[in-house]
Amino acid sequence: AQSVAQPEDQVNVAEGNPLTVKCTYSVSGNPYLFWYVQYPNRGLQFLLKYITGDNLVKGSYGFEAEFNKSQTSFHLKKPSALVSDSALYFCAVRDIRAGNNRKLIWGLGTSLAVNP
Amino acid sequence: EPEVTQTPSHQVTQMGQEVILRCVPISNHLYFYWYRQILGQKVEFLVSFYNNEISEKSEIFDDQFSVERPDGSNFTLKIRSTKLEDSAMYFCASNQDRAREQYFGPGTRLTVT
Repeated sequence: AQSVAQPEDQVNVAEGNPLTVKCTYSVSGNPYLFWYVQYPNRGLQFLLKYITGDNLVKGSYGFEAEFNKSQTSFHLKKPSALVSDSALYFCAVRDIRAGNNRKLIWGLGTSLAVNP
Repeated sequence: EPEVTQTPSHQVTQMGQEVILRCVPISNHLYFYWYRQILGQKVEFLVSFYNNEISEKSEIFDDQFSVERPDGSNFTLKIRSTKLEDSAMYFCASNQDRAREQYFGPGTRLTVT
């Protein structure tokens, strides 16, 4: 079955320190992987995606993620965290098994708290 | 920058009533989606829509649910007879093609009492 796991419910980091939000996936074939961020009382905002090509992808707000096929991971990273990065982060994979199937399969989300 | 919009932002309804949630996808997008997020739980896919028909739906999307694109801009989700367990945040999304990221609206919080 296609699935996404975000093993940490919450990540706490001090402002200025590097941050990592973990994501692992299980899909058949080649995955399309995405990170979205959800600020309080807001919708889901696209951060970055991996479709093909370079395993390190860069996205909005200084975030990047590294696709690791052998470890089936797509961890989100930022070299220096800001207090304003505090939000809920979702990893998602697009199900590409067959036909017109385009739905996103979501992880449970990781709450990131950046402390001043 | 173009964005997906949704109305209303919050809908309160009584159990058994019909509700219509409205979305205006980004204008040049061709694929449309509804997801829901029950408080404290993961985002769940409901339905995808392309070329004026449903292309996929989840087991959640039963006969009580329907979607429609009544004109060139709106995309609606109708729940015919709401249940308490339909209380959730409902997100609309759209994209240009299946390889591209989906753009989400701000959501409609549905509260069924």
